[in-house]
Amino acid sequence: DIQMTQSPFSLSASVGDRVIITCRASQNISGYLNWYQQKPWKAPSLVIYAASSLQSGVPSRFSGSGSGTEFTLTINSLQPDDFATYYCQHSFNIPVTFGQGTKLEIK
Amino acid sequence: EVQLVQSGAEVKKPGESLRISCRASGYSFSSYWITWVRQMPGKGLEWMGSLDPSDSYTTYSPSFQGHVTISSDKSINTVYLQWSSLKASDTAKYYCARQVATIGSSWFDPWGQGTLVTVSS
Repeated sequence: DIQMTQSPFSLSASVGDRVIITCRASQNISGYLNWYQQKPWKAPSLVIYAASSLQSGVPSRFSGSGSGTEFTLTINSLQPDDFATYYCQHSFNIPVTFGQGTKLEIK
Repeated sequence: EVQLVQSGAEVKKPGESLRISCRASGYSFSSYWITWVRQMPGKGLEWMGSLDPSDSYTTYSPSFQGHVTISSDKSINTVYLQWSSLKASDTAKYYCARQVATIGSSWFDPWGQGTLVTVSS
């Protein structure tokens, strides 16, 4: 199975900050990488697909980059609605696996 | 609007059977796989398996193979996740999600609202 490792595990930031979350795959997954946002007690929702494509309806302050084994999710000018847990997920092969999550908290 | 609506919360005893459902609307049901994802209390997301509604072909994570069954009923645009003998460790929230695939990638969107399953004696 491909292991997905996110860093940091948790992150404290302020409204207006720029944050970067990293996701590393245990083997080359090309661009088969997606990012999801999950707020407490809610279902996950898609933020970025295919490493760098912004899902429709998601604010442009979110962006994704990377290929191979290293990927990043960047959020520019953090807004109060952005404080949530973020998961990366590969879709390179079966079984699909997720990172352990990065909890983004208000400083 | 593309929507997945899941059945309500369940409380069961160890050893009991259970089937939860995920009803799709707003798109051609047979055109997209449906996936089930587990989230144990306070933990992350785990892919359990996926089903192709066009022919009911299923693929499972080795971690869940043999313990759950994924099935579908095309006549009512519904996919099911079932257990024949629940364990306390099955206590979790279960999400269904539509799998969108293109040449070069696939992702899960949208997700159902989740079904909380509690297994306790």
